Amino acid sequence: GEKVEQHESTLSVREGDSAVINCTYTDTASSYFPWYKQEAGKSLHFVIDIRSNVDRKQSQRLIVLLDKKAKRFSLHITATQPEDSAIYFCAATNSAGNKLTFGIGTRVLVRP
Amino acid sequence: EAAVTQSPRNKVAVTGGKVTLSCNQTNNHNNMYWYRQDTGHGLRLIHYSYGAGSTEKGDIPDGYKASRPSQENFSLILELATPSQTSVYFCASGGRGREDTQYFGPGTRLLVL
Repeated sequence: GEKVEQHESTLSVREGDSAVINCTYTDTASSYFPWYKQEAGKSLHFVIDIRSNVDRKQSQRLIVLLDKKAKRFSLHITATQPEDSAIYFCAATNSAGNKLTFGIGTRVLVRP
Repeated sequence: EAAVTQSPRNKVAVTGGKVTLSCNQTNNHNNMYWYRQDTGHGLRLIHYSYGAGSTEKGDIPDGYKASRPSQENFSLILELATPSQTSVYFCASGGRGREDTQYFGPGTRLLVL
């Protein structure tokens, strides 16, 4: 089945800098890649996604890049702010498109 | 945004006891999911459902059953709870399509003693 590897377990950045989280997946047929944010003690909140028909998507300060050849996708948080501090999860659908497989999460800490 | 609620929010159970976790969504989503979250594993899919009356096994279904009696409700049942099932459980709902966003409930923290 699909495996999603999230490469950074923790990331510490200075406020105003960019944070980059990288994920790789194994199923060539995966076509949907959402990202979720989890603040301390809270649930997961959808932040942005990308589909396999594009290689870049931006929503305000969030940019997602998709490299299908390398089976890699990444989340770029630009101009980081203290409220960006959280755990971020990447995910990918399986080939049937009926299940999401999640990475183990990246803890992002934005330092003042 | 989709409204997904879970009950109870916290539960302490004894080994061998039966535990039922409930999930309700009010956005008429077809698909519903149960995950557990454990440190070092991220979220893992236990069971999911395409609609009322349907349940499907996820990646780690052993020791769990699911029930979808209506569009709005999806339950996760631990018939004989074990300490290894101590975890945080999340319910999510999503739309009809393959790539519809999943919206998560607040989670249930379960401790099995």
